[in-house]
Amino acid sequence: SQQGEEDPQALSIQEGENATMNCSYKTSINNLQWYRQNSGRGLVHLILIRSNEREKHSGRLRVTLDTSKKSSSLLITASRAADTASYFCATNSYPISGGYQKVTFGTGTKLQVIP
Amino acid sequence: KAGVTQTPRYLIKTRGQQVTLSCSPISGHRSVSWYQQTPGQGLQFLFEYFSETQRNKGNFPGRFSGRQFSNSRSEMNVSTLELGDSALYLCASTWDTITGELFFGEGSRLTVL
Repeated sequence: SQQGEEDPQALSIQEGENATMNCSYKTSINNLQWYRQNSGRGLVHLILIRSNEREKHSGRLRVTLDTSKKSSSLLITASRAADTASYFCATNSYPISGGYQKVTFGTGTKLQVIP
Repeated sequence: KAGVTQTPRYLIKTRGQQVTLSCSPISGHRSVSWYQQTPGQGLQFLFEYFSETQRNKGNFPGRFSGRQFSNSRSEMNVSTLELGDSALYLCASTWDTITGELFFGEGSRLTVL
């Protein structure tokens, strides 16, 4: 089952514009991560934000986390054609049934940046 | 430092057959996780191994199994293949517990005919 749901499912923007993707999740988390996947390839880690953090920056990426609303957003500023990819949020949490932490992924947002 | 290596990259099987996929994690990483990715279901967690022990398991039938060796390499096996098992199988490794980033391989794309 998916822990996270992402919104929108697909996003198409012009180069130079900003892209915002949102992620909602269901249970308490230890941290939330964002990954990028180029078509049919493996995922690449972008940024991690811990549950006690509210905002984090990395280059053109800005991530926010609102644990009260169980949601996060990823902002990519000044987008480039090379940013075209699918973006996934992933939550690290303890299973409700107990046991070790595990990482579960959202449904993903497909971003297309038009040159 | 070599990345996560998955073999084979592509394979075609027929229904009823079984398949074994291999994953070599980054040197020093003791945790290996497996995910199934399909267009309809997204990325689904299969299982995680740490120091040869399965620590977590997803909601998949018993036909899906895995193991980890003393050198941290991992294999997953799917028996009695079904059409719905066609997917990209992704392996990810991390240094210790799953508190940090996962490093993914390029995946093994399985097609079941």
